[in-house]
Amino acid sequence: GAVVSQHPSWVICKSGTSVKIECRSLDFQATTMFWYRQFPKQSLMLMATSNEGSKATYEQGVEKDKFLINHASLTLSTLTVTSAHPEDSSFYICSARERTSGIIYEQYFGPGTRLTVT
Amino acid sequence: LAKTTQPISMDSYEGQEVNITCSHNNIATNDYITWYQQFPSQGPRFIIQGYKTKVTNEVASLFIPADRKSSTLSLPRVSLSDTAVYYCLVGPNDYKLSFGAGTTVTVRA
Repeated sequence: GAVVSQHPSWVICKSGTSVKIECRSLDFQATTMFWYRQFPKQSLMLMATSNEGSKATYEQGVEKDKFLINHASLTLSTLTVTSAHPEDSSFYICSARERTSGIIYEQYFGPGTRLTVT
Repeated sequence: LAKTTQPISMDSYEGQEVNITCSHNNIATNDYITWYQQFPSQGPRFIIQGYKTKVTNEVASLFIPADRKSSTLSLPRVSLSDTAVYYCLVGPNDYKLSFGAGTTVTVRA
């Protein structure tokens, strides 16, 4: 199956700094990529949807100026957490959607990035 | 998006069949039913997707009655490695995925 990678797999940063997380589709072109956040023992919460070459669409309650998303190519999307605070500590997961044929879309998830803000 | 309801948790033993039922009473005509599996500290993994009747792959089977208001994921002969959270998602195939609480399946020896 298609592979989505994330880098880094874990990161520790100090409060007030920014951290960038990369999401790559390794063997397919992703027309759309999604970013999720997951707190311990909770479900995935969709943060934003990004399409290559256009601005991301953020879910209600997600600060677009704090969580900057760039989808520069069909294989790369980045999430930058700006001025991180301890409450931003979470597991961030990206997914990429491939249009396989006609109306069939398949969505593949990355392994996730554990962010800890101290 | 259609709201889904599934059990919070289920316990089973190795070698047994596990059936997880998901209710989605307000499913729309163009909605598909998709199941994902997630292990701790990993991204979700696609298991199976269906629209109606029965779908089977090498991992699981998905049973969807004619009214499509519910669906049942069947995991045959589970092993300890099947312990995970299973999510039922309902929505158009080209739309964003919205995850509910999921079902934590615990398989014991």
